[in-house]
Amino acid sequence: QKEVEQNSGPLSVPEGAIASLNCTYSDRGSQSFFWYRQYSGKSPELIMSIYSNGDKEDGRFTAQLNKASQYVSLLIRDSQPSDSATYLCAVTVDRGSTLGRLYFGRGTQLTVWP
Amino acid sequence: EAQVTQNPRYLITVTGKKLTVTCSQNMNHEYMSWYRQDPGLGLRQIYYSMNVEVTDKGDVPEGYKVSRKEKRNFPLILESPSPNQTSLYFCASSLRPGATYEQYFGPGTRLTVT
Repeated sequence: QKEVEQNSGPLSVPEGAIASLNCTYSDRGSQSFFWYRQYSGKSPELIMSIYSNGDKEDGRFTAQLNKASQYVSLLIRDSQPSDSATYLCAVTVDRGSTLGRLYFGRGTQLTVWP
Repeated sequence: EAQVTQNPRYLITVTGKKLTVTCSQNMNHEYMSWYRQDPGLGLRQIYYSMNVEVTDKGDVPEGYKVSRKEKRNFPLILESPSPNQTSLYFCASSLRPGATYEQYFGPGTRLTVT
């Protein structure tokens, strides 16, 4: 079983602050890393993907990957109330029968208050 | 519009009454998958399909069946539903199986079994 752990939260930040979400994974063979945003009762929406060590920026979002330490993080700058959602970390391991399979963490609930 | 659709979106049924949840994608994706989401347990994969006529079990396949007769469709069948299958179900697809291919989710089906 691939373990993907996220800080359970909930995480609460004021509008305009930086929200930091963390995720660790157990399988060193993990190759691709994703952050999904999920509003209550809705489907997960892919917001970031990262495949190599370092930072990847997309607008207000920055994903950071450190394979040596087996963690991936998501920073949300200038947080807005509309960012309030559950953020899911997911990893894939392409090895035999796990090809293409996504393994999810349980999610971190973020609340951005005005 | 590229999308994954599921039907029905909401379903209340009784124990033992066979049901099918349909999933369809219009993106010519090879890989399709079913997940269930339960509070505190996160998203767990039920079944997946690498391509037409190629399906395999995920982490929680008991009580479910699938088929992939056409590339665009991947129905989830509950032959004899039980209350522990009450959950939120998501279908997802990606262009190919593999770590670098991002998965896109359908809108979800909320199933209640009484």
